[in-house]
Parts: sequence; C-alpha cells; structure tokens
Amino acid sequence: KAGVTQTPRYLIKTRGQQVTLSCSPISGHRSVSWYQQTPGQGLQFLFEYFSETQRNKGNFPGRFSGRQFSNSRSEMNVSTLELGDSALYLCASSHADRGNQQTQYFGPGTRLLVL
Amino acid sequence: KNEVEQSPQNLTAQEGEFITINCSYSVGISALHWLQQHPGGGIVSLFMLSSGKKKHGRLIATINIQEKHSSLHITASHPRDSAVYICAAGVSGSRLTFGEGTQLTVNP
Repeated sequence: KAGVTQTPRYLIKTRGQQVTLSCSPISGHRSVSWYQQTPGQGLQFLFEYFSETQRNKGNFPGRFSGRQFSNSRSEMNVSTLELGDSALYLCASSHADRGNQQTQYFGPGTRLLVL
Repeated sequence: KNEVEQSPQNLTAQEGEFITINCSYSVGISALHWLQQHPGGGIVSLFMLSSGKKKHGRLIATINIQEKHSSLHITASHPRDSAVYICAAGVSGSRLTFGEGTQLTVNP
C-alpha cells in the first residue's frame, strides 16, 4: 500500500497570502488529522476529518481551515499568512472508526516558510 | 504545566547501552502513542498502548494507567536509533497531545 502523501513538500509565501496544502491518506483510511510543528511550540493538533466531517478541532484561529473529500483526500488552508505560520505541517491518516484510537500513519510533511 | 511531559529532553548514549525515556501525562487518555522523528521531519508510529507492555524488536513500551506514566526502552542501542522520540496522549478521536520530545544521540 502506498503511504500518506503530502503536496507540496516545500512552499515559500509572503505575509498576507493564503496557502492550500494537500494530503492523500493511505487507501481505506477515512480519518485524516493535521498537525503543525514549530521549534517554539512543538507539535500541535490542528483538526481531524472523518468521512468529510470535521470531528475534532485544536486551538488555532479561524484562519486555519480544512476539508475532506469523498475519496478521503484532505486539504488545509491558511489565509492571511503570518510569519508565525512558518512551520512543518504534517498530516496523518488512520482507520479511527467511531472515534477509537488507532495507529496514525504520518506523511512526510509540507515545510512552509512565510516571508 | 504541559499536559504531556517527557524526560530527559536530551540523551546521549554509547552504542549498546540500555535507554529509557519517560513520559507523564495529566489528561485522561484512551491511548498513549510513542513516535519517532528523524531529521527531515518524517514521523513513524512506534507504539500505541492503553495498558501493560508492548515489544517490537529492541523497543519496549510500558504504561501505568494509575500513575499516568509511560516509558520507552531501547535495548542494545545503535547509532541508527538516533532520532527524536515523542510521546503523545490520545485524548479523543485521532486528536493527539504531544510531549516536547527527547533528542536521542547514540554514539558508536
């Protein structure tokens, strides 16, 4: 089975722009979670989508949003970029039916630099 | 106080040594995850456990639910074990709350 893929791998944007990141989960996985990793804050949970519905949301401003498509692929969008949004954005997929904990499989991440 | 705390933050060992990384959490969990992150960012899930002990090769993970504490052990450490090890509390659904990570360096 192919692993979790994320595109693009690297991205440079300027303040005020918006960005869309994409995540394709492992085939058969319906849960996709997004995480932000920065040197200062470490890894933080952004949100989780399951069967096209947002099931969990972390403590991030409304500029961070996401969606999931019927094929379980997910996108996250950050609008009005700030310097502090520079980070490694990771997605992870799992079976996670009925909200049970399952092993998460991480993608390679998208490294975003905001100038 | 962070909900998930790890110790030590940095650990240097000689090849062959037995290594222990500790994780304490203050939230209710449905599972505790141990992750490994190599330079470049890729994260691999090592263990997910909700009770007792799990073993995979030279890696062993234990959890004490009553004490809200978990440990990751590496036996006969090797330079290829050098990485950041992260424990994460599975709170609800797929939501994880992470510790700060332990940077492990194993010297030959």
